[in-house]
Amino acid sequence: NAGVTQTPKFQVLKTGQSMTLQCAQDMNHNSMYWYRQDPGMGLRLIYYSASEGTTDKGEVPNGYNVSRLNKREFSLRLESAAPSQTSVYFCASTRPRVAVEKAFFGQGTRLTVV
Amino acid sequence: GENVGLHLPTLSVQEGDNSIINCAYSNSASDYFIWYKQESGKGPQFIIDIRSNMDKRQGQRVTVLLNKTVKHLSLQIAATQPGDSAVYFCAENLSGNTGKLIFGQGTTLQVKP
Repeated sequence: NAGVTQTPKFQVLKTGQSMTLQCAQDMNHNSMYWYRQDPGMGLRLIYYSASEGTTDKGEVPNGYNVSRLNKREFSLRLESAAPSQTSVYFCASTRPRVAVEKAFFGQGTRLTVV
Repeated sequence: GENVGLHLPTLSVQEGDNSIINCAYSNSASDYFIWYKQESGKGPQFIIDIRSNMDKRQGQRVTVLLNKTVKHLSLQIAATQPGDSAVYFCAENLSGNTGKLIFGQGTTLQVKP
């Protein structure tokens, strides 16, 4: 079982370049999330998608856009990368709240903007 | 070993001792809390969770305690092993519908052989 798969694992961008981080889950989860993790800090929510066709801003959405392409895939786009966006990005998914809700995380994408 | 306060990011314990990792959460309306373990180069992994209608929940070698009065959460690891070395995050759920999680800063647990 693959779980949550993120691509790429590593990326170096020049300031001003654009790129899309891909995320796919095979657990039939409704909700998907994008977080960033900076050194010595916890994860901060960028955007989330409660279900296919919906997206909402999290704590730190500026400079990012997202697309919930279908139930499986949730992509994060940087239109014009800035050094402040150097971080490790994690995608996560959860099933609808029934009894308990547990997020499954991908392995992360380490992005460096120079 | 135990970490105290909000700004002590590293806890060092001897193998075999019990570890206590503390966390203060921010929103009194949060109704669901989770502890995650993150090993180097990996995404966070679920350890244990607790709902706000409970004070204590036990898993295998781990116990989570919730004190809603002071908005405090703790993770106790019994007989700490080298494989427990990781960063531990608490997270609170601010929304009952979307499952949006707010993470704490994390505590690095170092287990000395």
